[in-house]
Amino acid sequence: NAGVTQTPKFQVLKTGQSMTLQCAQDMNHEYMSWYRQDPGMGLRLIHYSVGAGITDQGEVPNGYNVSRSTTEDFPLRLLSAAPSQTSVYFCASSRESDSSYNEQFFGPGTRLTVL
Amino acid sequence: SQQGEEDPQALSIQEGENATMNCSYKTSINNLQWYRQNSGRGLVHLILIRSNEREKHSGRLRVTLDTSKKSSSLLITASRAADTASYFCATDGRGGGNKLTFGTGTQLKVEL
Repeated sequence: NAGVTQTPKFQVLKTGQSMTLQCAQDMNHEYMSWYRQDPGMGLRLIHYSVGAGITDQGEVPNGYNVSRSTTEDFPLRLLSAAPSQTSVYFCASSRESDSSYNEQFFGPGTRLTVL
Repeated sequence: SQQGEEDPQALSIQEGENATMNCSYKTSINNLQWYRQNSGRGLVHLILIRSNEREKHSGRLRVTLDTSKKSSSLLITASRAADTASYFCATDGRGGGNKLTFGTGTQLKVEL
């Protein structure tokens, strides 16, 4: 199993550009989520999905869109990049969507800089 | 908003010593989890403690939970240089589901 994979590892954007961060998992997990990590602020939940076709907002969803057309993939789209979106982005998955007693598996992260 | 706050923010110890880090949270929980993050990497799950448990062990890790004080502690015994990492607590909400709220983390440095 590759676990949770993310691409790209690094990305530099100019203000106003759009892009998609890719996330895939091969563990047949129901639950997938996106976090951003900023210095001194821990991880904050952007969007999450409890299964294919079902997504919902987390704590900091503004400026981001997600979709979940398959169980495996959960891309995060930045609509119009802003410097405030400079961060490290982590995708995570867990086995069940209706239980909090699951560990979450994290990808290696995408480091995004918006100029 | 941050549910969990870790204390201390940074900790430096010698190899072989024990490391203790604390986490406080604000609302009722079903469980609390601890994760480790090595520099430049994703988070790795360490241990989960349920709200009806007071203490749990896993190898060199010992976690305690005091729901009356809304706090947890992570003890790493006989620390090694490889334990150098950031450690985060994460809490769910009483509403259930997988949404976790992470604390700000403790940076642990274990020196030879």
